[in-house]
Amino acid sequence: DIVMTQTPPSLSATPGQPASISCKSSQSLLYSDGKTYLSWYLQKPGQPPHLLIHEVSNRFSGVPERFSGSGSGTDFTLKISRVEAEDVGVYYCMQSRQVPWTFGQGTKVEIK
Amino acid sequence: EVQLVESGGGLVQPGGSLRLSCAASGFTFSTYWMTWVRQAPGEGLEWVAIIKSDGSEIYYVDSVKGRFTISRDNAKNSVHLQMNSLRAEDTAVYYCATERLQYWGQGTLVTVSS
Repeated sequence: DIVMTQTPPSLSATPGQPASISCKSSQSLLYSDGKTYLSWYLQKPGQPPHLLIHEVSNRFSGVPERFSGSGSGTDFTLKISRVEAEDVGVYYCMQSRQVPWTFGQGTKVEIK
Repeated sequence: EVQLVESGGGLVQPGGSLRLSCAASGFTFSTYWMTWVRQAPGEGLEWVAIIKSDGSEIYYVDSVKGRFTISRDNAKNSVHLQMNSLRAEDTAVYYCATERLQYWGQGTLVTVSS
């Protein structure tokens, strides 16, 4: 199975300041179709997760532009350009390169 | 508007069975793979199973193989998860979601306890 490792486990962010989360996979997430199957999700308190970014850097419909994803192969990053209070929650990366799909352990983001 | 509504959760004894259902609307269900993801209390997310749009391909996480069965009814826009031989470690909120987890339901809680 592909192991996904997220850092840091938690993050205290200052409103208006940038924040970033790292995600590393134990194997390359590049598939034979040329796509890299790494996505990011945010789970706000008491809610199901929702998709932020798919295929490394593609923002899902309705996701604010302050969220961006980057990376390739086995190293990926989610960046929030200017953190807002509504960004609190747990962020997960996930690979869908091969089954079983696997998630990172999560990064809990709180606001200072 | 895409809607996914899970049902069928509850309290069951170890070794028992439950059948979860997910009713879908707002999209062309028959063209989407569908997945189940679970989350144990206070824990992270675990992908459980996926079924192809026509039901011809199915995959499971190792921990549920031989005990859980995913199925779908495209005529009724629904996907199901039959869970047998339940264990305490299966206790979780179970979410159904579209193929690449673009859309999620609100989840249904399964508690396995005597």
